[in-house]
Amino acid sequence: QKEVEQNSGPLSVPEGAIASLNCTYSDRGSQSFFWYRQYSGKSPELIMFIYSNGDKEDGRFTAQLNKASQYVSLLIRDSQPSDSATYLCAVRAGGAGGTSYGKLTFGQGTILTVHP
Amino acid sequence: KAGVTQTPRYLIKTRGQQVTLSCSPISGHRSVSWYQQTPGQGLQFLFEYFSETQRNKGNFPGRFSGRQFSNSRSEMNVSTLELGDSALYLCASSFFGSGYGYTFGSGTRLTVV
Repeated sequence: QKEVEQNSGPLSVPEGAIASLNCTYSDRGSQSFFWYRQYSGKSPELIMFIYSNGDKEDGRFTAQLNKASQYVSLLIRDSQPSDSATYLCAVRAGGAGGTSYGKLTFGQGTILTVHP
Repeated sequence: KAGVTQTPRYLIKTRGQQVTLSCSPISGHRSVSWYQQTPGQGLQFLFEYFSETQRNKGNFPGRFSGRQFSNSRSEMNVSTLELGDSALYLCASSFFGSGYGYTFGSGTRLTVV
């Protein structure tokens, strides 16, 4: 079993729709969860991070975390063609913030295409 | 505010050679991590440095090494290059660690021929 698994995709949604990206992780000790966006030929860019169970909203993006189910998701509302990219889920074991540290384990990524 | 700067952007090396990649983190960031990205394996963690100390190391052979200087700049070295080392090498920095996520540099594209 991979440490971090994402729905394989590619995912294609029409402009204006909600895109739903999913991620599961195997380490129950994981504490911090991140979503990165990577455009073709570019480096990953942090979109959101979440530590606590529930939802966290930032503009058109909502991250959802369910630690009991070891599941984290990213919803993109009102999807735009500019959202077309690979979305990477990353997980970190250990405490949040402060002087905590640790490697990020990334999923393989889900390619999202938003068509006009 | 300058971002994470990696040099060089592109590199072509021959099998058996060694290579050194450089990373300058965002000003004030003390944690620097290195990742290897390939189409088959995705993003894989190499190592993390904080205040000149290696705090974490991924599952890569000893040919991969790194260091961090007192100004937080970091270098990674790959010795005895193999064809399979061809990849995008990404450096990422954060203030304390990955608690709030890392900011990635543009990467160094290494091709081993």
